[in-house]
Amino acid sequence: QSVLTQPPSASGTPGQRVTISCSGSSSNIGSYTVSWYQQAPGTAPKVLIYTNNQRPSGVPDRFSGSKSGTSASLAISGLQSEDEADYYCAVWDNSLNDVVFGGGTKLTVL
Amino acid sequence: QLQLQESGPGLVKPSETLSLTCTVSGGSFISNNYCWGWIRQSPGKGLEWVGTICYRGDTYYNPSLKSRLTMSVDTSKNQFSLKLSSVTAADTAIYYCTRVNIVVVPSSNFDYWGQGTLVAVSS
Repeated sequence: QSVLTQPPSASGTPGQRVTISCSGSSSNIGSYTVSWYQQAPGTAPKVLIYTNNQRPSGVPDRFSGSKSGTSASLAISGLQSEDEADYYCAVWDNSLNDVVFGGGTKLTVL
Repeated sequence: QLQLQESGPGLVKPSETLSLTCTVSGGSFISNNYCWGWIRQSPGKGLEWVGTICYRGDTYYNPSLKSRLTMSVDTSKNQFSLKLSSVTAADTAIYYCTRVNIVVVPSSNFDYWGQGTLVAVSS
């Protein structure tokens, strides 16, 4: 059971906008910056968002991140079939002295 | 382009020590902006941070693994390593080596990943 709560699944049709939430607490999201990762089947995770809302070079601007209080969100606009993957949020937790990951959200493109 | 490659045994017996090495190529190993880390993923499960080591040797470990974990770095070979002792079946996982971007600390920004190596703990 992760200290970061993500919905286990999400879905959308091509072109739609979907949002994945990540709920935490004052010891993690409320105090530190959040990262988001995409993991396609059989591959290593890839960073999509760091420092709450920054995109590494090469990540399309269809992906955006935000944080408010003790929750964070990843939004994907203009959904494409290749976006079908697992998505994880991550952040430092000062009560656990640990980098914690959310349980992951499986995104299905219908 | 920075590349990370894990190496080590794919099968370890229960109670023995799991040892993995990550070789970094195509970029700077010594930097005040980056450290090096391990993350694991049990089959069909989520991601778990194992630990982080910086080039000077300072280490940060997952508290749940700290008593069994040792990480080291060899700057002459651009390598860092992990040793996890007294393993059980619960340590069976894909182990990924990563670069940790520490421009903002504490960091959860693992910006480069190896392809991962599956380590099974079984007799």
